[in-house]
Amino acid sequence: DAGVTQSPTHLIKTRGQHVTLRCSPISGHKSVSWYQQVLGQGPQFIFQYYEKEERGRGNFPDRFSARQFPNYSSELNVNALLLGDSALYLCASSLAGRQPGYQETQYFGPGTRLLVL
Amino acid sequence: QKEVEQDPGPLSVPEGAIVSLNCTYSNSAFQYFMWYRQYSRKGPELLMYTYSSGNKEDGRFTAQVDKSSKYISLFIRDSQPSDSATYLCAMSLDSNYQLIWGAGTKLIIKP
Repeated sequence: DAGVTQSPTHLIKTRGQHVTLRCSPISGHKSVSWYQQVLGQGPQFIFQYYEKEERGRGNFPDRFSARQFPNYSSELNVNALLLGDSALYLCASSLAGRQPGYQETQYFGPGTRLLVL
Repeated sequence: QKEVEQDPGPLSVPEGAIVSLNCTYSNSAFQYFMWYRQYSRKGPELLMYTYSSGNKEDGRFTAQVDKSSKYISLFIRDSQPSDSATYLCAMSLDSNYQLIWGAGTKLIIKP
C-alpha cells in the first residue's frame, strides 16, 4: 500500500513568487495536516483538514492557505514568498481528525523541500 | 521559552550502548506524548506513543513519561548504526490535535 506522497520533491522559487505543494494521503485516510520544518528545528503545525473542512490552523500569516479535495488530497499554497519560507514542508495523513480524547497516528510523507532565493 | 525543549546534540555513542533521549515541556495540560524518528531527507516516522504518565516498551525502545516533572524519555537498548537519525519528541493536548514538537536530537551510532 502506498504511503503519503508529496509533490514536487524539491522546488526553487524567488522572493515574491507563489508556490503550490501537493499531498496525497494514504488510501482511506480522511485527514491531512501540513507542517513546516526549518533546518535544525522541529516541525511547526500549519493546517489540518478533515473532510474538506479546516479543523485547525497554526500561527502562520494569511499568505499560507490550503484546501482539501473530494478525494482527500490536499494543496498548500504560499503567496508572496519570503526567504524565511525556505523549509521542508511535510504532509501527514490520518484516518480522522480531532476526536476529543483520542489521539490518532499521523503518517508523514517525505516532504517538499522549498528554497526561496 | 519554547513549549518543548530538546537538546539538539549531536549525541554520539558506540554500537551496542544504551541511548537516553529526553524532552522537557512547560504545558502541564499535554496528555499525548510521541517519539518520532527522522532520517535525513525523509519525513518523521512514529516510534512510540504514550498517553498520560507511565512507561511503554516496544522491542529495543522504551518510552517514559513523568508528568509531575514534565519530562519524557526514550531509551534505545542495543543501539545499532541503523538507529542513527534525528529523534523528535512531540506532544498534544487532549482535545487539540495539533502536535507541538521538540527541535530533535541528532543521534550517531558508531560501528
